[in-house]
Amino acid sequence: AQTVTQSQPEMSVQEAETVTLSCTYDTSESDYYLFWYKQPPSRQMILVIRQEAYKQQNATENRFSVNFQKAAKSFSLKISDSQLGDAAMYFCAYRSRVNTGTASKLTFGTGTRLQVTL
Amino acid sequence: GAGVSQSPSNKVTEKGKDVELRCDPISGHTALYWYRQSLGQGLEFLIYFQGNSAPDKSGLPSDRFSAERTGGSVSTLTIQRTQQEDSAVYLCASSQINYGYTFGSGTRLTVV
Repeated sequence: AQTVTQSQPEMSVQEAETVTLSCTYDTSESDYYLFWYKQPPSRQMILVIRQEAYKQQNATENRFSVNFQKAAKSFSLKISDSQLGDAAMYFCAYRSRVNTGTASKLTFGTGTRLQVTL
Repeated sequence: GAGVSQSPSNKVTEKGKDVELRCDPISGHTALYWYRQSLGQGLEFLIYFQGNSAPDKSGLPSDRFSAERTGGSVSTLTIQRTQQEDSAVYLCASSQINYGYTFGSGTRLTVV
């Protein structure tokens, strides 16, 4: 079974600064997807960024980028030029590349609460 | 619909009562997932539907929990004889194969 670990329950960053959220995972599979989701107080999970394990290039979406280290099973999220609207819970998630059955489910870490201060 | 709709948004119930939580997925999404998010915890997988079929119910925490999906669309999660440890946010997500997941805003269940 796959597991996802987020060791930082809370992080704080000043507006306009950069912050990195950590995530490690454990799997015996060689092909899979990794995700970062943002959960604001509205509770809806919003996809921030996605990485496919077979791609060596790190994914980037505007101010959000990842550092994907497959051998180390590490998948950190870097938020540049932090904004007040970035304050939320951030979840790291894993999904097998297998599309069928329960293997298609997402496995989540316990989350990191990000505070953004002025 | 444009998104995944869950109802009710909040539910307070007395211990021992039954509750039904509803999820209306995006039209055409064949896969539907239920997750439970307890305070300070990550999302715990409960059950997955492909069409109307739920091939694996092992994620349901006890036999008080059941779920069904009809017409390949709306799903209902039922909790019988609710207990205080059932208090959590219940999130639903739908997906089409090879595409991303869309989550609803969840139902916050409080058992008093």
